[in-house]
Formats: sequence, C-alpha cells, structure tokens
Amino acid sequence: DAGITQSPRHKVTETGTPVTLRCHQTENHRYMYWYRQDPGHGLRLIHYSYGVKDTDKGEVSDGYSVSRSKTEDFLLTLESATSSQTSVYFCAISRGDSSTDTQYFGPGTRLTVL
Amino acid sequence: GDSVTQMEGPVTLSEEACLTINCTYTATGYPSLFWYVQYPGEGLQLLLKATKADDKGSNKGFEATYRKETTSFHLEKGSVQVSDSAVYFCALKTQGGSEKLVFGKGTKLTVNP
Repeated sequence: DAGITQSPRHKVTETGTPVTLRCHQTENHRYMYWYRQDPGHGLRLIHYSYGVKDTDKGEVSDGYSVSRSKTEDFLLTLESATSSQTSVYFCAISRGDSSTDTQYFGPGTRLTVL
Repeated sequence: GDSVTQMEGPVTLSEEACLTINCTYTATGYPSLFWYVQYPGEGLQLLLKATKADDKGSNKGFEATYRKETTSFHLEKGSVQVSDSAVYFCALKTQGGSEKLVFGKGTKLTVNP
C-alpha cells in the first residue's frame, strides 16, 4: 500500500459540467501524476507535478487542468466535461530521487460523462 | 519519441501452462523497464523492474530480462495459476531527468482451471 487515495471512486456527470478529481498521498512523495486508461490505449499521461505549484503537461492534456497547492494533494479538473473524457483515471506517485525510481498507483476513479 | 510495444491480447492459457508476453521498446539513452499488473477492478501494481542491461527482474514466479541488444523485456512464467489472470503492462522510464512512464497498451491474460 503506497498510501494513495483517490476520490471519488465513481462519478457520473453530464456533458458540460465541471468535474474535479482528487488524489491524496500520505508519504510526502515529490512527484504526482494523472493518467487515463482507455481500452486499446493503455495508460496515457495527462499531467504531472514535480512539486508544490510545479506542474507540466503530458501527452493528453487538452481539456484538463491540474493544481497542487499542498504536497499531499493533486487535483485534476475537467472544466467542461465531454463524453470523450469518459475513462478510468489513475493517480500515481514517486519519490523522483533517481532514474530507477518506481511509480505507485492509486485505486482509480471511474468517470462517466453522459 | 519513446514507445513500448507489447503483444496483442487477449491470451488464454490453462493452469500450469508456460507464459510469455513479449515487450519491445524504443528509447533514447538507457531506460529503466517495468512490468505492472492490474487485477480486475484494481489499480496497477508493480510486478518487477530492471534498471540496466542484462538485469533480471523477478517476483511471484514471473521473470523478465533486460535485453539491450534486442531492446526487449519479455515477461515469462513457467507455470501460471488462475490467480494470475489480469492485465499486464510493460513500461519504460528514460534516464536524464524525465520522470514519466511510457506504457504499452496492455495484455489481458486469462488462466482457466
């Protein structure tokens, strides 16, 4: 158990509504990541953070924003949800202290946009 | 850019059969390589990793050897169990400051009794 929780675990929302997903860690890791998982695509990086208020884009960042105001929390926001954002979202953490460092994943949030 | 290619699934085996899931990669530099496993309804768990050429990662009877000459990191197990049914992901992380993982698309394994 890497001390990662995600909330909510399941959410159904309607197109055009804002949605915020939360990732919380208890181990003070420097790096946090948001991925989405879709059939036939594996996991794709949305955004990541390398410290408080330090974030960067991943390969599928369009339509998403993130914030990290505290070490332990990394928020993913869909400003105006679309059906193409229906997916399972995973948060991950790593210490980031070496090139061999390992990422540990949370349990996921299943988001359905109707 | 960096990429990972793993064999298409699904793979269906009988209990005690041998398993090989192929994984090849394209990367600059000398990446670290990982296998993650995802059981139904759960997040990804690290299964094993290797950080340099010829390293062998192993865990729970699974093994994978980092082959630089063939840019491969194939996952193997000599005798699978029903409990090994899951989706397996190969991933790489390049050296040089980037902390991002690049994943393959995953291979679903079903083991029948």
